[in-house]
Amino acid sequence: GAGVSQSPSNKVTEKGKDVELRCDPISGHTALYWYRQSLGQGLEFLIYFQGNSAPDKSGLPSDRFSAERTGGSVSTLTIQRTQQEDSAVYLCASSLGAVSGNTIYFGEGSWLTVV
Amino acid sequence: RKEVEQDPGPFNVPEGATVAFNCTYSNSASQSFFWYRQDCRKEPKLLMSVYSSGNEDGRFTAQLNRASQYISLLIRDSKLSDSATYLCVVNAGTGGFKTIFGAGTRLFVKA
Repeated sequence: GAGVSQSPSNKVTEKGKDVELRCDPISGHTALYWYRQSLGQGLEFLIYFQGNSAPDKSGLPSDRFSAERTGGSVSTLTIQRTQQEDSAVYLCASSLGAVSGNTIYFGEGSWLTVV
Repeated sequence: RKEVEQDPGPFNVPEGATVAFNCTYSNSASQSFFWYRQDCRKEPKLLMSVYSSGNEDGRFTAQLNRASQYISLLIRDSKLSDSATYLCVVNAGTGGFKTIFGAGTRLFVKA
């Protein structure tokens, strides 16, 4: 597609349920990133992929969070046993490569509300 | 100390004003720098890259001071449509890639 595509755009889930968020990066982009942004707050880095491998997982907040990327394209972020503090917008982004200077392009985000 | 620090604002300015934002970074090995713009409840979008010699794009001017480890964004002749949050972005580029976003500076331009 022309831009980074994320789904679902909005998700309301009950506390304790698992959710899966999907990201389809710009075609040809080998680097893919996940960020989280709570209302009125800055971006929180979660994880990035270069190809299918994740050199930096340092931002994942707990072991309830996991992410994978297959085929060097689509990525899924899974949150198990969701908590209310997980409510945020989850932003996916991609770039040509994880090289300094490459512009990062964002998707419109997946808005998650845990009730 | 945060790796990238910005004044959160908000900056409230009248239309036509000139406003400047500063951003400091802690990693002296940082290699590339950007300003992003984020509108309310929207995703961040690239505003401009920041080059060592400074660069201009219309009403926007970006400057980099490596010695003091700060970058700046100057907006001239502010428009109502410039109201947004401006994010400072720094690429460390050493020991593995790392992009750090500042928390952003909120700008309100009023008529």
